[in-house]
Amino acid sequence: LAKTTQPISMDSYEGQEVNITCSHNNIATNDYITWYQQFPSQGPRFIIQGYKTKVTNEVASLFIPADRKSSTLSLPRVSLSDTAVYYCLALTPMNYGGSQGNLIFGKGTKLSVKP
Amino acid sequence: DAGVTQSPTHLIKTRGQQVTLRCSPKSGHDTVSWYQQALGQGPQFIFQYYEEEERQRGNFPDRFSGHQFPNYSSELNVNALLLGDSALYLCASSSVWGNEKLFFGSGTQLSVL
Repeated sequence: LAKTTQPISMDSYEGQEVNITCSHNNIATNDYITWYQQFPSQGPRFIIQGYKTKVTNEVASLFIPADRKSSTLSLPRVSLSDTAVYYCLALTPMNYGGSQGNLIFGKGTKLSVKP
Repeated sequence: DAGVTQSPTHLIKTRGQQVTLRCSPKSGHDTVSWYQQALGQGPQFIFQYYEEEERQRGNFPDRFSGHQFPNYSSELNVNALLLGDSALYLCASSSVWGNEKLFFGSGTQLSVL
């Protein structure tokens, strides 16, 4: 079973900021939060990863509060091309017994961006 | 620098047949993982290969088997195909020395009739 819970779907309009919240009440102390994006007929693509506080890259920002029971993926000024499924995963590092290749995906959040 | 490549892109088989799917990892990667993704679901882990051996396996029957070659490429074999095996099969590569980020191919869409 996935260790995370996220909304099944979200709708937005071009130019808006989109925030997708992920719940992980039982996240392990050493787990990282990782987000992947998947377009139809393609494999998932890594977006961002963090442990706590805030991480930002050229694609998105990830906010993780101090209690780490939830996290929020923020996509600034979305465009039609951001329409995709977004997966939130809790990843256990290999040096803490995790498996690099065995990711547990839930159903993800289907984001639809409209003009 | 080529990413993860999979072949074929699409495949149609009938029940009871056998199928072989192929994957070439991203340059510099030595670990290959296979996933099955049914329509509307997230990818499900099948198994992982490193140093030509199966290192981890998900909850899939023995009909699913694999192989990794010395050049790190990999095959996924499925015997005695069932209708329920229809899915997108994804290959992901990584480096055991890397930061644990997976790179996925575009997948092979398998239809079992």
